[in-house]
Formats: sequence, structure tokens, C-alpha cells
Amino acid sequence: QVQLVESGGGLVKPEGSLRLSCTASGFTFSDYYMSWIRQAPGKGLEWISYISSRSGSIYYADSVKGRFTISRDNAKSSLHLQMNSLRADDTAVYYCTRDHGGYGGFFDLWGQGTLVTVSS
Amino acid sequence: DIQMTQSPSTLSASVGDRVTITCRASQSISSWLAWYQQKPGKAPKLLIYKVSTLESGVPSRFSGSGSETEFTLTINSLQPDDFATYYCQQYHSYSYSFGQGTKLEIK
Repeated sequence: QVQLVESGGGLVKPEGSLRLSCTASGFTFSDYYMSWIRQAPGKGLEWISYISSRSGSIYYADSVKGRFTISRDNAKSSLHLQMNSLRADDTAVYYCTRDHGGYGGFFDLWGQGTLVTVSS
Repeated sequence: DIQMTQSPSTLSASVGDRVTITCRASQSISSWLAWYQQKPGKAPKLLIYKVSTLESGVPSRFSGSGSETEFTLTINSLQPDDFATYYCQQYHSYSYSFGQGTKLEIK
């Protein structure tokens, strides 16, 4: 079954850290660029980071640059997001997504999302 | 960064209606535009990419048009399953960006 499953969300204090993971199955993970997209409660979608298939290209939104680090392990079909210096406005559901056709820039497969809550 | 603005923010319609949602980009994005549908508590679903190409499995009552900075999503003959929130997304350049969403409600 083609799917993405996120894990690692939870409650964290401001300035704390959290590492999200996404496990892919049912397709050749190493063929695809991947992104993390988040959605604050009741709000819209925000793309936050992208990684190319061999990790050669990585981009971040300004809102997370310098605090978040995206990585992948193609041998384990997994994607990660290390989040440091977390702030209240990082509270959101975080989605792992797959680029359409490998590197389309738009997203044809989404995980179910994992909720990150930053609060004291 | 490219800003995407959708209108209206909320749209009330009835089953069987034809509705149109507009998405405007702050600068030209050529044809690098996608549309998504999201239902409460669920992940978004890709509907359309490259302005007008329907994703596999998406009903033909959905269509997209436009270019450069102005784009539309049209849904013909609304079905009960279509009441959801719709987002446009540009992938012309990083940072990728989404519109703020249009909530399609039952009248």
C-alpha cells in the first residue's frame, strides 16, 4: 500500500526540540523529492522544507530556517525533521509529502499528519 | 516570496451548482499551479496540477484554467462530497506557497 506515516509529534515546551519521522511504503522512496508541510490549528497550509531524492538540494521556508533540519535515509525509506528552538507559532499538524512524479513541486501523496504543540 | 491570494474565503452553494474559486499570484508563476481539496481532520488531496491537468481519479467536473497571475478552479454540478476547503499552490519558485483557502459550504 502506497503510504506515508508520520510519527514523533507531541507536546514540547518553548525553546525545546522535537524530531519528526515519516516512513514511506509502497513506492521507491529514493526516486522522490520530499517535503514537510504544516498547518496551524484552523489555519491554512504552509510549506516548510524540501529535500531532493539524494539529499543534494535542501530548501527551507524563512519561518524555520536555522531552526529546522530536514534529512532522509533512503535505505530505510524514511524522512526526518529535526526541530529546535521551538516557538508557540510552530504549533501545527506536520505533514510529510511526496512530490508528484518524483520532483514535481506539488504533492500527490500526504501522510495523515502528526500534531506538534509548543506550550509551557 | 510569491504570495497567493484566493477569493472568496467562503462560498455557499447548493448541490448541482457550478462554482468558481479564484487564485491570484503576486507575480507571474507561468503555469506552475496546483489545487488541493481538504476535508476536516484529513490531509489535503491533490486535484489539479499545471493549471489544468486533472490528477488521476479526480472527477471531470473539476477543471482549472488561467496563466501567469490569475487562475480559477471550477466545479460543475456540485456533489455532496465536494463541500470542503480548497487551496491553490504555486511551485514556480521556492518558497512554495499556498493560498489561504476557500471554504465551500452547503447553502
